[in-house]
Amino acid sequence: AQSVSQHNHHVILSEAASLELGCNYSYGGTVNLFWYVQYPGQHLQLLLKYFSGDPLVKGIKGFEAEFIKSKFSFNLRKPSVQWSDTAEYFCAVSTTSGTYKYIFGTGTRLKVLA
Amino acid sequence: ETGVTQSPTHLIKTRGQQVTLRCSSQSGHNTVSWYQQALGQGPQFIFQYYREEENGRGNFPPRFSGLQFPNYSSELNVNALELDDSALYLCASSWDSNSYEQYFGPGTRLTVT
Repeated sequence: AQSVSQHNHHVILSEAASLELGCNYSYGGTVNLFWYVQYPGQHLQLLLKYFSGDPLVKGIKGFEAEFIKSKFSFNLRKPSVQWSDTAEYFCAVSTTSGTYKYIFGTGTRLKVLA
Repeated sequence: ETGVTQSPTHLIKTRGQQVTLRCSSQSGHNTVSWYQQALGQGPQFIFQYYREEENGRGNFPPRFSGLQFPNYSSELNVNALELDDSALYLCASSWDSNSYEQYFGPGTRLTVT
């Protein structure tokens, strides 16, 4: 069965530290990849997405992610985090082989210390 | 532009009862997806509706059913509620079934006692 794994459940960083959140998926077919963010008290919102083309994608607020097909990974990065990046981050995969499905990881809670 | 709205915000039901949750999609969107998010977990895909037809389904039993109306709003119905159905139910809309870029509502918190 398809699945998405986020290995870091809780991450604590100081401001200006670099961030990398891991995401691996298990699916052999064509996928679309996403990172969503949920700030405290707010809705889930899209951070960035990969459909095809350049495997390095840039999203909002200085985030980027790299799709490495051979590793089934789509890690999220930010060179220098801010206190306002404190949130929960979800990796997600969508597939269209067979019926449509959209699969989320369990999320990573990031806390940035001022 | 109106975002995705859901009603009610909170709901308490008893085991065995039935519940209907409602979602209004963002203006211009014809596709609605429903998710269940248990505490400490990521959203789990229940199903998607595109132009009033079910377009995909996750691993949920048939007692989870849905509808999409001509104005693209949607309902999620859950019959024979179980304690494990307690969760946040999220609705997300998109321009079409292939766009994959979804806009989420605030969710309905369902508690089953």
